[in-house]
Amino acid sequence: AQSVSQHNHHVILSEAASLELGCNYSYGGTVNLFWYVQYPGQHLQLLLKYFSGDPLVKGIKGFEAEFIKSKFSFNLRKPSVQWSDTAEYFCAVSNRDDKIIFGKGTRLHILP
Amino acid sequence: DAGITQSPRYKITETGRQVTLMCHQTWSHSYMFWYRQDLGHGLRLIYYSAAADITDKGEVPDGYVVSRSKTENFPLTLESATRSQTSVYFCATGQSYGYTFGSGTRLTVV
Repeated sequence: AQSVSQHNHHVILSEAASLELGCNYSYGGTVNLFWYVQYPGQHLQLLLKYFSGDPLVKGIKGFEAEFIKSKFSFNLRKPSVQWSDTAEYFCAVSNRDDKIIFGKGTRLHILP
Repeated sequence: DAGITQSPRYKITETGRQVTLMCHQTWSHSYMFWYRQDLGHGLRLIYYSAAADITDKGEVPDGYVVSRSKTENFPLTLESATRSQTSVYFCATGQSYGYTFGSGTRLTVV
């Protein structure tokens, strides 16, 4: 069965620090990959997605993610975080014909 | 307005009561989903539907019932609410290319 593993449950950073959130998935076929963000008290919103092509994907608010097929990974990065990036981040994966599977989420807390 | 809407936003109910959470989408997407979100568990799929009159169980279906008589609506019913069903419930629609989530219903069972 497909699964998604997010390495960190809770991350605390200071403003301007660099961010990398790890995500690994288990599925051998062609996949679609996603990062969703959930700001406090809100619903999940799409941050970025990868379907094919350039493995470095740029999303909103300065976030990017790199798909490394050989490592089954899709890590999320941001060079300099802001206090407003405080949120929960979900990695997700689907094959082309099935449901999206979500990771357990990583809570990111940015100290001002 | 176009989109996906959930109602109510907040609900408090008593143990043993039946409660229905509503979800409505205006895109005519085939797939709709119900998740619950609890601290430490992330998102857990309760039920999903591939089309009108087609529903299937997800990861945690016990205690819940769904129906889908119309493409645009996907209500979730707790037949006899329990305290363990206190949670935030999200409806979503879409397919393998991505989901759009509703704003959620915060349900408290007392």
